Amino acid sequence: QKEVEQDPGPLSVPEGAIVSLNCTYSNSAFQYFMWYRQYSRKGPELLMYTYSSGNKEDGRFTAQVDKSSKYISLFIRDSQPSDSATYLCAMRRGPSWGKLQFGAGTQVVVTP
Amino acid sequence: NAGVTQTPKFQVLKTGQSMTLQCAQDMNHEYMSWYRQDPGMGLRLIHYSVGAGITDQGEVPNGYNVSRSTTEDFPLRLLSAAPSQTSVYFCASNGQGATEAFFGQGTRLTVV
Repeated sequence: QKEVEQDPGPLSVPEGAIVSLNCTYSNSAFQYFMWYRQYSRKGPELLMYTYSSGNKEDGRFTAQVDKSSKYISLFIRDSQPSDSATYLCAMRRGPSWGKLQFGAGTQVVVTP
Repeated sequence: NAGVTQTPKFQVLKTGQSMTLQCAQDMNHEYMSWYRQDPGMGLRLIHYSVGAGITDQGEVPNGYNVSRSTTEDFPLRLLSAAPSQTSVYFCASNGQGATEAFFGQGTRLTVV
């Protein structure tokens, strides 16, 4: 069983819809939770990160962490075609040290 | 800002050949890592380094060697290429105390 599970999709939504992405994990030692966005044939880039449980909002993006359920989510409001990418969840035990564990990534397609 | 630079961008090898994937960062980051990305598997950690002269194995280290003689460079060596090493390879770096890992643009390797 993988430490981090993420549905690979693809997830296709119409422009303007809310995109809902999630990951589950098994290691309770994870404290730092991240979402990376990866455009086709590019390297991943950090979208948001959250420490421990709670919500974090940044513009159209909201990240949620529920450590009791070992479940994290990313919501994209008012989705745009430019949001079409693969979204990878990632997590680690410490802020900068420790191995970064990734989910498989979910491909999102926003159609005009 | 160059950030994390990987060379080459594309490479085709024959089974049994060896080669070195180059990675350089200009952000004076202590931590550097190598990942491979395969369909449905997400990014898996190959080797990582927490500073010059210090390296350790990740999740899938077999068939790869690394060294870190300077802060800036972290080359990945394939000792005897196998078709199972066909993948996209990403190098990443992050600074001490910083959550965000910066990724290079990737090297697409095909072993025939």
